[in-house]
Amino acid sequence: DAMVIQNPRYQVTQFGKPVTLSCSQTLNHNVMYWYQQKSSQAPKLLFHYYDKDFNNEADTPDNFQSRRPNTSFCFLDIRSPGLGDAAMYLCATSSERGQSYEQYFGPGTRLTVT
Amino acid sequence: QQPVQSPQAVILREGEDAVINCSSSKALYSVHWYRQKHGEAPVFLMILLKGGEQKGHEKISASFNEKKQQSSLYLTASQLSYSGTYFCGTGLRAQKLVFGQGTRLTINP
Repeated sequence: DAMVIQNPRYQVTQFGKPVTLSCSQTLNHNVMYWYQQKSSQAPKLLFHYYDKDFNNEADTPDNFQSRRPNTSFCFLDIRSPGLGDAAMYLCATSSERGQSYEQYFGPGTRLTVT
Repeated sequence: QQPVQSPQAVILREGEDAVINCSSSKALYSVHWYRQKHGEAPVFLMILLKGGEQKGHEKISASFNEKKQQSSLYLTASQLSYSGTYFCGTGLRAQKLVFGQGTRLTINP
């Protein structure tokens, strides 16, 4: 089945220790997104890639970076995690080709910062 | 600008109907509806692209009033499986969706 996969599902890191979350997709979608979702809140868009074009949200902290080496993979790097970065991180994909606009979400990575 | 959803929470008995509203202070080009169960990822329900458009899937339907800049999600004869948090997302096509704060729906037997 075509899907969006996130690894790991749970990640524990220490305050200030860099961490990388990964996302892969078999949908061949050209748009990939990273969202941060804190408890009882809406998903908040951090950035997205439209093909290879990177689009950063104005209020995304510099501490958050992203890489998309190819169509299938996208990474979220948190350079120096703080306690406030503990959250669920959701990867999503969509296709701007044809009539398909919905976003497909991966299961998420729950990040704990100690 | 984040769209505003109402109500924030609803508790229903199985078989009852519910309406969830989503309104924006900015012109809407599209409205997406998602449902998220606790501890899971959001799941796409439907997208509305045109003013006044209505869509439906089984007992879940939605309307989009472009003029009033609002959308409503209708759940008819609710089932236990409908429980979860419903988010509307607004934006241009599928890029840069801004999600509302969510409406928590609880269906009791």
